[in-house]
Amino acid sequence: AQSVTQPDIHITVSEGASLELRCNYSYGATPYLFWYVQSPGQGLQLLLKYFSGDTLVQGIKGFEAEFKRSQSSFNLRKPSVHWSDAAEYFCAVGDHYTDKLIFGTGTRLQVFP
Amino acid sequence: NAGVTQTPKFQVLKTGQSMTLQCAQDMNHEYMSWYRQDPGMGLRLIHYSVGAGITDQGEVPNGYNVSRSTTEDFPLRLLSAAPSQTSVYFCASSEVNTEAFFGQGTRLTVV
Repeated sequence: AQSVTQPDIHITVSEGASLELRCNYSYGATPYLFWYVQSPGQGLQLLLKYFSGDTLVQGIKGFEAEFKRSQSSFNLRKPSVHWSDAAEYFCAVGDHYTDKLIFGTGTRLQVFP
Repeated sequence: NAGVTQTPKFQVLKTGQSMTLQCAQDMNHEYMSWYRQDPGMGLRLIHYSVGAGITDQGEVPNGYNVSRSTTEDFPLRLLSAAPSQTSVYFCASSEVNTEAFFGQGTRLTVV
């Protein structure tokens, strides 16, 4: 069965520090992978996606993620975090045939000045 | 461009009441889905539809009904609300093998 694991429930970083949010997935074929961000009281906004091709994908707001098939991972990175990045981040895997999304449980990012 | 519109934004129900959460999209997407979001559990799929007239169950379908009579609309019905259905509900739409677009959510409280 498809599943997504985000092992870090809560991460705290200082503004300007680098960030890496972890995501591991289980899927039988080459997955479609997504990172979404949710600010408090808001809906979900797509940060980036991987469908095929280059395994390093660039997204909005300076985020990037790398697909590593051998590790079944799709970690999200940002070289320098801004206070406005404080939010909850969700990794998701998409099913090729039904377009169903399976989400991880999320990582809440807190940024200190 | 409105995208995905959910109504209402907030709702309080008494146990046993029924209601319908509305979802409409104006992007002509074939795929639509409903998720519920609970603390520490991420988003869980309730029901989804791959086109008008076609619906299927997701991970947590019990207590919810859906129908898809048009491409644009995908309402979610709670027939007899229970406190366990207190949650934030999100509707999403997508084209084939592309990213999903989400509505702003409906915060439902069942007392």
